[in-house]
Amino acid sequence: GIQVEQSPPDLILQEGANSTLRCNFSDSVNNLQWFHQNPWGQLINLFYIPSGTKQNGRLSATTVATERYSLLYISSSQTTDSGVYFCAVYTGGFKTIFGAGTRLFVKA
Amino acid sequence: DAMVIQNPRYQVTQFGKPVTLSCSQTLNHNVMYWYQQKSSQAPKLLFHYYDKDFNNEADTPDNFQSRRPNTSFCFLDIRSPGLGDAAMYLCATSSLGDTQYFGPGTRLTVL
Repeated sequence: GIQVEQSPPDLILQEGANSTLRCNFSDSVNNLQWFHQNPWGQLINLFYIPSGTKQNGRLSATTVATERYSLLYISSSQTTDSGVYFCAVYTGGFKTIFGAGTRLFVKA
Repeated sequence: DAMVIQNPRYQVTQFGKPVTLSCSQTLNHNVMYWYQQKSSQAPKLLFHYYDKDFNNEADTPDNFQSRRPNTSFCFLDIRSPGLGDAAMYLCATSSLGDTQYFGPGTRLTVL
């Protein structure tokens, strides 16, 4: 089956720093979504991005479907950005596969 | 606000005692999903409903069942919980092929 790899697995930032999270996938996918899981376990939608680039405030994402990767950019990080960032890919037939996540900690 | 609601937020059960988790949505989405997430792991899809059509993932244990009595509600039944079933259970909804929206989850403890 399709493999989804996220890097880095862990990331510690000083508040105000920028970062790039990566998601690689091993086969063609129908869609891709980025989530932030907060400390209470809620998965928050960030981007639904099968291809192209989207921006929302300090966050932006780019998916290059032909090269099978997606990037999530966080600029001017804040302590509230801490948590786990997941990418999830959707293959045919509703199959949804999550990457292992990137655990981010932003220090004040 | 339209949303996905899960009840209860925390559930404690005893080994082998059946338990039911609830999910409701006001988004009128035709697809509802149940995921299991164990500590420090990624969510893992258990099954989904597309309208009334049920699809079980191949590796979902028989101990897990689901019911969807109408568009708004979906239930996860664990017939005989074991210690290994302690996890966060996440419900999500979507329109066909579109963004998935997650509820806050139910954290299940098995004693």
